[in-house]
Parts: sequence; C-alpha cells; structure tokens
Amino acid sequence: AQSVAQPEDQVNVAEGNPLTVKCTYSVSGNPYLFWYVQYPNRGLQFLLKYITGDNLVKGSYGFEAEFNKSQTSFHLKKPSALVSDSALYFCAVRVNTNAGKSTFGDGTTLTVKP
Amino acid sequence: DGGITQSPKYLFRKEGQNVTLSCEQNLNHDAMYWYRQDPGQGLRLIYYSQIVNDFQKGDIAEGYSVSREKKESFPLTVTSAQKNPTAFYLCASSDPLQGLYTEAFFGQGTRLTVV
Repeated sequence: AQSVAQPEDQVNVAEGNPLTVKCTYSVSGNPYLFWYVQYPNRGLQFLLKYITGDNLVKGSYGFEAEFNKSQTSFHLKKPSALVSDSALYFCAVRVNTNAGKSTFGDGTTLTVKP
Repeated sequence: DGGITQSPKYLFRKEGQNVTLSCEQNLNHDAMYWYRQDPGQGLRLIYYSQIVNDFQKGDIAEGYSVSREKKESFPLTVTSAQKNPTAFYLCASSDPLQGLYTEAFFGQGTRLTVV
C-alpha cells in the first residue's frame, strides 16, 4: 500500500523568510510525487511534480521541492514567503502498480504573517 | 477555456434524500475521480473511472454511486445510505495516456450540507 505523511498540521512563517512544508511517503516501486495548493472553498491547484531526474524540482509561484530517495521525502520549499502563499498544501504520491490512483496527505496549513 | 466544472457550489440535503453532484470536463481526459474532503483528513477517494462505461470503488464508496455514460461527465449520487454526507466534494480528471506522471486537474468543489 502507498501512503503519504505530512507531519505538520500547521506551519507559520514571517513574510520574506524561507518556508518548508514537509512530506514523506511510503510506496513499493518508484514514486511519482506531486504538490498541490488549495485556497478556501476552492479546488486543488497543481504546483509541481517529481517524476525522475534532477532531485530539485521547480514549480509555479517560486516553489521548489527536493526529492530525497534515502529519506523517502519530498519537502516543499520557497526561499522567500509571501502573505499570498497562505493556503492549504497537499502532497500526493502515485505508483504504477495501483491503477494510477493518487494517495494524498492530510494537508498542511501554511500561514505567512506580514 | 478547458477545465472541470462542478455544480452546484453549495448543496443542502434533507435526511433521507438522494442528491446528485455534477462534474463535467472538456479536457478530453479519460480518467475521472471523486474525492471527499473533511477537515484534517485530506482527500479520500470515493470512486474513479478510467474509461467510459467503467468505474471502480475507491476507499470510501459506501453510500455513494456514480455513472460514466459520457467521457465528459461523471456525476456522483450521495444516497440516503451515506450516514454522514456533510463534506466538501472534489472532482478531478487526468489523462492516463500521458503517463502516471501527469497531474490531476480539479474542479472548484461542491459543499454538501445535511439539514
């Protein structure tokens, strides 16, 4: 079975500071990893994904994520947080042995304070 | 613009009623999904369909039903058998022909409340 853990329910950072939202996964086989963002009462929006290749993936709105196979992690990062980054962030994983279904973490609420 | 449209945005259901949530996409995607979102529990898969006229149960299918008669449409019915239907429901689609590395596209959600 595949699973995703987002160990922090809430992350608080000051505007201009770097941010990290953590994600770890457990799968059999090679993982395909995704980050999505959700604003209140809206659907999820895709941010970035890791498929293969370079462990550092760059995505939308200045976000990036680092894939670490030995630690089975895919942490989301941004060098300088904006107040507008405040939202709910989801990590998701897929493997090719599960009919393409994604498993999502429980989400992390990011609050960026001015 | 291509995308996924869910309707209605807000829906109220009386006890014992069945209600149907609409999901339409014009992305030409074969795969479609229904998720339920509760606070602090992330997204849980209700049903998914990889092709027209075929669908599979997800992790929490009890009390729900779906149909996939057209590629563009994947309606979800919340039946009276679903004892705790109040939640935010999200529909998504993806293009499996592009491979498992393709991201999912989500609708804006329907908030269902039992009154």
